[in-house]
Amino acid sequence: DVKVTQSSRYLVKRTGEKVFLECVQDMDHENMFWYRQDPGLGLRLIYFSYDVKMKEKGDIPEGYSVSREKKERFSLILESASTNQTSMYLCASGRTVGFYGYTFGSGTRLTVV
Amino acid sequence: GENVEQHPSTLSVQEGDSAVIKCTYSDSASNYFPWYKQELGKRPQLIIDIRSNVGEKKDQRIAVTLNKTAKHFSLHITETQPEDSAVYFCAASQGSNAGGTSYGKLTFGQGTILTVHP
Repeated sequence: DVKVTQSSRYLVKRTGEKVFLECVQDMDHENMFWYRQDPGLGLRLIYFSYDVKMKEKGDIPEGYSVSREKKERFSLILESASTNQTSMYLCASGRTVGFYGYTFGSGTRLTVV
Repeated sequence: GENVEQHPSTLSVQEGDSAVIKCTYSDSASNYFPWYKQELGKRPQLIIDIRSNVGEKKDQRIAVTLNKTAKHFSLHITETQPEDSAVYFCAASQGSNAGGTSYGKLTFGQGTILTVHP
């Protein structure tokens, strides 16, 4: 069974803090994704990575950066957290060959105060 | 880029009724259309998907139909049960092409909150 693990289920951070959200997958998937989930807006893509050290901007990359130093790990970084980044963050991974959609992590509920 | 519109945003049905959720997409190159179910406090999970070479796919009480010409696809749930209550997301993708740039990137609809009343 594919597992995508996000390091924290709930986080509370202060405005201006640097925040790291970690995601690890154990199925050797090439592609990893970070989405943000807000009510009424669905899932919006922040960044994705198709290979180690490779990254591509999604639809809403402003205020975020990412790091992928190892194939199994994809980190989302909020350089200076702001209250409008309070949200649910979902990590996902998927194959390149034989694509069948994603497996999601359980999500990190981030609150910025 | 791709744009996916999903309707309705909320849907309330009585147990045993059918539920239909509709999505439209903009990019004619999209060829893979999954549906995810997200129960309260849990991760989205794939429940059914369809590829563009197929017009309909069924799995027990759920079915998905695809109209490529009109660029819309729908989820049908029959004989709904209270445990079907969840948020449902449709999505569209160009699939994944190792020689291209799609990388299996999914664009999601806004979600539908389905409530099934006992």
